Amino acid sequence: DAGVTQSPTHLIKTRGQQVTLRCSPKSGHDTVSWYQQALGQGPQFIFQYYEEEERQRGNFPDRFSGHQFPNYSSELNVNALLLGDSALYLCASSGTWGLPEYFGPGTRLLVL
Amino acid sequence: KQEVTQIPAALSVPEGENLVLNCSFTDSAIYNLQWFRQDPGKGLTSLLLIQSSQREQTSGRLNASLDKSSGRSTLYIAASQPGDSATYLCAVRLDSGTYKYIFGTGTRLKVLA
Repeated sequence: DAGVTQSPTHLIKTRGQQVTLRCSPKSGHDTVSWYQQALGQGPQFIFQYYEEEERQRGNFPDRFSGHQFPNYSSELNVNALLLGDSALYLCASSGTWGLPEYFGPGTRLLVL
Repeated sequence: KQEVTQIPAALSVPEGENLVLNCSFTDSAIYNLQWFRQDPGKGLTSLLLIQSSQREQTSGRLNASLDKSSGRSTLYIAASQPGDSATYLCAVRLDSGTYKYIFGTGTRLKVLA
């Protein structure tokens, strides 16, 4: 079992550009959540996808959007990048209700 | 608004010590609480999950307790080792209709050999 995988591992963009991050959930998991973790902070919830629909969203602007595919993998898209979007982006997957969430290794995004 | 606080922010101890990490939350109506470990620049590893109906969970040298009424959880690490050095995060899920976790800012632990 490969666990939760994310790609790419690192990414450098400039202000105003757009970025797409990818996540494959742990085998058997059907729910994917995305979190943003700024340096020295705890992760902040961006949104969660279940059955290809956004089920819940945190306090992030519409520049942050996502998608879930029929195989449960997911993408996070961020438009019009700002310097403040520089962070570690974490994907988490879960399955049966109440069991632990499994996190991927993250994508480190640097916006210059 | 639920807020999660972790004290201390950083901790340095000699190898072999038993230690306690603290987590407090402002809204006691939680669904569950999870403790995570994060190594520098890496993702999160789930250590222990405590459902709201439970008082504690144990895994090896780790024991986590939950006191909902006081809004507190503690993570006890027995006989600490240098390999335990990492940031420890606690996170709460509010209720069955809320799917997000709210995280504290973590405790950075360094165990000295």
